[in-house]
Amino acid sequence: DGGITQSPKYLFRKEGQNVTLSCEQNLNHDAMYWYRQDPGQGLRLIYYSQIVNDFQKGDIAEGYSVSREKKESFPLTVTSAQKNPTAFYLCASSISQDPETQYFGPGTRLLVL
Amino acid sequence: QQQVKQSPQSLIVQKGGISIINCAYENTAFDYFPWYQQFPGKGPALLIAIRPDVSEKKEGRFTISFNKSAKQFSLHIMDSQPGDSATYFCAASMENTDKLIFGTGTRLQVFP
Repeated sequence: DGGITQSPKYLFRKEGQNVTLSCEQNLNHDAMYWYRQDPGQGLRLIYYSQIVNDFQKGDIAEGYSVSREKKESFPLTVTSAQKNPTAFYLCASSISQDPETQYFGPGTRLLVL
Repeated sequence: QQQVKQSPQSLIVQKGGISIINCAYENTAFDYFPWYQQFPGKGPALLIAIRPDVSEKKEGRFTISFNKSAKQFSLHIMDSQPGDSATYFCAASMENTDKLIFGTGTRLQVFP
């Protein structure tokens, strides 16, 4: 089965803690993206990566970090600097020839204890 | 100029009715306008998309109407079904960019 997997489905963070959300794709897509979804605000781009070992900040990158060491993996770390991390986090990917068509994973819901 | 404004925030339609969701944009450099459908607890999935060279695109019960001069586009769902109940997002992007700008979403509920 080809697709995008995100884990865990739910994640709890304590104050001052860094947490990492996993995103893996076996679609052989070049580009990968991280979005944050909050009620009534749509999807906002956090980071994106067009090729391995390269990534760019999106509209709301503060308090987040990413890495792209492998084509199929794009983990997102929510650092303690992100003061309002509670949200639904979505990972997506696309092929270089059609970057506008993005395929989304099932999401990770992050909650703060 | 990067915004995409979507309305209404929520919509209730009876089974068999027409659901209409509207979006407006300011940036005339946008040249691709997709609609995504998201079911609760799931990621969004591409439903239908249009480019400014056509005024309408239809796929089954789903139609996008595009008005370039008004900088508006809308999604029409004909013969709405309870299985269409989901959140719908419009989006826009510019040529040669990977970035999609999303609207705020419309929660559609279709009652039998």
